[in-house]
Amino acid sequence: GQNIDQPTEMTATEGAIVQINCTYQTSGFNGLFWYQQHAGEAPTFLSYNVLDGLEEKGRFSSFLSRSKGYSYLLLKELQMKDSASYLCAVLDSNYQLIWGAGTKLIIKP
Amino acid sequence: SQTIHQWPATLVQPVGSPLSLECTVEGTSNPNLYWYRQAAGRGLQLLFYSVGIGQISSEVPQNLSASRPQDRQFILSSKKLLLSDSGFYLCAWSPTGVSGANVLTFGAGSRLTVL
Repeated sequence: GQNIDQPTEMTATEGAIVQINCTYQTSGFNGLFWYQQHAGEAPTFLSYNVLDGLEEKGRFSSFLSRSKGYSYLLLKELQMKDSASYLCAVLDSNYQLIWGAGTKLIIKP
Repeated sequence: SQTIHQWPATLVQPVGSPLSLECTVEGTSNPNLYWYRQAAGRGLQLLFYSVGIGQISSEVPQNLSASRPQDRQFILSSKKLLLSDSGFYLCAWSPTGVSGANVLTFGAGSRLTVL
């Protein structure tokens, strides 16, 4: 079967750095997405990785290792507004998105 | 620019009643359209997707159905709701064609409570 694993919940302090991990086992791979979802709202796109390495976009960076079936989302200089759920999703060989359950990130002052 | 509208935002329905959720996209042609359901603590579950008018693919057999009567309109329906249909329903679109970089853009969501 296909599976995406990410921690259920994480807590971090305002101004700090946090890394949210995602591991996957899928039938094929055509890219990995990270989405941010604030409580009660729709997910919004953060990043897309298809090649190994780090993609940096402002305070957010996303890393991919295809050989390890592993990705992480790195959030720097955390702000209170970063409190949200972060969803990892993998595009499989049929171009179907497989979603993780999401990681709820709690930011404390 | 492209926008996606989804309504209603919230609804409370009795068991056995019908359902209709509507989604429209503006600013693009022939989009791929999707209906997802999100249950608490679980990943997004794809219910239906459509690559064109009248073309609907169902991912999960259930008492829900979808229709695409116009290019940029996607409707989720049920004739008789079950308690288990409660959840957060999300419509989404992506550019036409299949591509690894096709980003999904979601509507604001519809929270359905079946009592």
